Amino acid sequence: DGGITQSPKYLFRKEGQNVTLSCEQNLNHDAMYWYRQDPGQGLRLIYYSQIVNDFQKGDIAEGYSVSREKKESFPLTVTSAQKNPTAFYLCASSMGQGTDTQYFGPGTRLTVL
Amino acid sequence: AQSVAQPEDQVNVAEGNPLTVKCTYSVSGNPYLFWYVQYPNRGLQFLLKYITGDNLVKGSYGFEAEFNKSQTSFHLKKPSALVSDSALYFCAVRDGGAGNNRKLIWGLGTSLAVNP
Repeated sequence: DGGITQSPKYLFRKEGQNVTLSCEQNLNHDAMYWYRQDPGQGLRLIYYSQIVNDFQKGDIAEGYSVSREKKESFPLTVTSAQKNPTAFYLCASSMGQGTDTQYFGPGTRLTVL
Repeated sequence: AQSVAQPEDQVNVAEGNPLTVKCTYSVSGNPYLFWYVQYPNRGLQFLLKYITGDNLVKGSYGFEAEFNKSQTSFHLKKPSALVSDSALYFCAVRDGGAGNNRKLIWGLGTSLAVNP
């Protein structure tokens, strides 16, 4: 899992609540990513950021929000507008150059009760 | 459109036998290809990548992959499988001509089971 930490490992939320998932990296990487993983659906990109104070929507951004105020941190907020938030959430980072490799954190499993 | 296919949902092999996990891709430019492994309830671990050069790429834990441009394939291989290789394997591709686009396109994953 390298130098990327995600917290908490497990998170439970009641319907209608917003929750924030933490992602921190000490790899000095410029780019960071959030993915959602559901069984049988592979990885789907939620948001990504190539530089501090800038981020772009991925393929399934609706119901999610992010911020990138520091190079090391890229928190993801799952809002009440996300209709089916129960999933495994993975954060990744990369150097942000042409052929770079993405490195992943250990993941957060979110369950909506 | 860019895409990645992993045609087998599950692969079963006996310990000590060679293993192959298949991946085919479609991109408009030269591909950058990646293999990752995921153990249960863990993040993905990088195994290897192909950017350019030798078609046979060697990676972590004894894995290798062969890039075949004519067949648009990037199959993952290992000469002798271990029970500990049992995991979920993902292939991913990025269009090498996509400029600043850092997005990877992911396959749906192949579950590898190595039987003792």
